[in-house]
Amino acid sequence: EAGVAQSPRYKIIEKRQSVAFWCNPISGHATLYWYQQILGQGPKLLIQFQNNGVVDDSQLPKDRFSAERLKGVDSTLKIQPAKLEDSAVYLCASSSSRTSVEAFFGQGTRLTVV
Amino acid sequence: AQRVTQPEKLLSVFKGAPVELKCNYSYSGSPELFWYVQYSRQRLQLLLRHISRESIKGFTADLNKGETSFHLKKPFAQEEDSAMYYCAPLVGGSSNTGKLIFGQGTTLQVKP
Repeated sequence: EAGVAQSPRYKIIEKRQSVAFWCNPISGHATLYWYQQILGQGPKLLIQFQNNGVVDDSQLPKDRFSAERLKGVDSTLKIQPAKLEDSAVYLCASSSSRTSVEAFFGQGTRLTVV
Repeated sequence: AQRVTQPEKLLSVFKGAPVELKCNYSYSGSPELFWYVQYSRQRLQLLLRHISRESIKGFTADLNKGETSFHLKKPFAQEEDSAMYYCAPLVGGSSNTGKLIFGQGTTLQVKP
């Protein structure tokens, strides 16, 4: 089966600019996660979707980050405006149930804010 | 505070030596626990989960509820085991709201 697809793979922007990341989960997977992984740290959960509804977004900086999952399939994560500390790898993952027996990860998008 | 702790950032061993990557958690209830691995230039992927009690690539992990630990072990390390390992509990209280939380990770370096 095809894996989780993310684009772009790399992005460099200036601070205060906006950026969007796209994720296409594995077909049929109801749960979708966005993680932020800063260099040297473990992935930090930003938001979790079940179909097109938000299950958890307690760690999402809502003043600048937003995410949506239209029709319960693809998802986009946006940052506006970006700050230097947003430089990180943004990982998308999906799983087939709300209990997340196994999460499948994309390659990630490496964001550099200069 | 609820957290998952991997005390070692780097663990360096020689090929053939035993390996133990430590993980302690402080979440209430009985979270399901996983180990994920990321090999160089590859995606993060599941290595094993505690409920299956299986051995994957020679690795096993025992859940110790009394010590709230879930250490990953392998009796004889191989060079291809070199990777970043993450302990990840599934937390949230009920199966309907479970979320996967990652530790800081431990880099395992197996020297020839």
